[in-house]
Amino acid sequence: GESVGLHLPTLSVQEGDNSIINCAYSNSASDYFIWYKQESGKGPQFIIDIRSNMDKRQGQRVTVLLNKTVKHLSLQIAATQPGDSAVYFCAESLSGYSTLTFGKGTMLLVSP
Amino acid sequence: DVKVTQSSRYLVKRTGEKVFLECVQDMDHENMFWYRQDPGLGLRLIYFSYDVKMKEKGDIPEGYSVSREKKERFSLILESASTNQTSMYLCASSLGRTGFSQPQHFGDGTRLSIL
Repeated sequence: GESVGLHLPTLSVQEGDNSIINCAYSNSASDYFIWYKQESGKGPQFIIDIRSNMDKRQGQRVTVLLNKTVKHLSLQIAATQPGDSAVYFCAESLSGYSTLTFGKGTMLLVSP
Repeated sequence: DVKVTQSSRYLVKRTGEKVFLECVQDMDHENMFWYRQDPGLGLRLIYFSYDVKMKEKGDIPEGYSVSREKKERFSLILESASTNQTSMYLCASSLGRTGFSQPQHFGDGTRLSIL
């Protein structure tokens, strides 16, 4: 069957580079955002989330930046490794009782 | 770690069959979800449940139903399978209690082919 990675924008980086994956979200009222990583043949894996009262949040080797003015979310991965190769997608939700709306994703390819 | 287990990784069925996809989570989560994932279309929500015996339609419920008789188990049913239901199906769960703005934890998916 077709891979989920087909038809997606692709970011190609070298091992050790920093990667920045961008996401434009649709609803200016959304107040919760989340990033997922999906490796081939696996389900999406939670990376990091952020609420609209913050503009930056850091995890292990990852940073999420939120710019509410332009409805833009980014995921920064430091010192990218081959194991980071995957599809990354963002999701948003509005208030506490709406479900997540997922973006279509970006494929990250890391060359050794 | 949360574990969400989908009963089959691959499934092949025939047009018109009634198909059951099973999902079990082991973390006492309130919320459970079924998505389908198609190239170029991303994840689309079929149905979700926030409690035992409760269910809500997602964005694309037509041709599907669900069952949640126990908290840990959420089943997706294709009443009469059609070829346009060939897809990757993903189950997810989240803690709940404060709505849906929280991480969902996914299973590894069932790739369903309808012939």
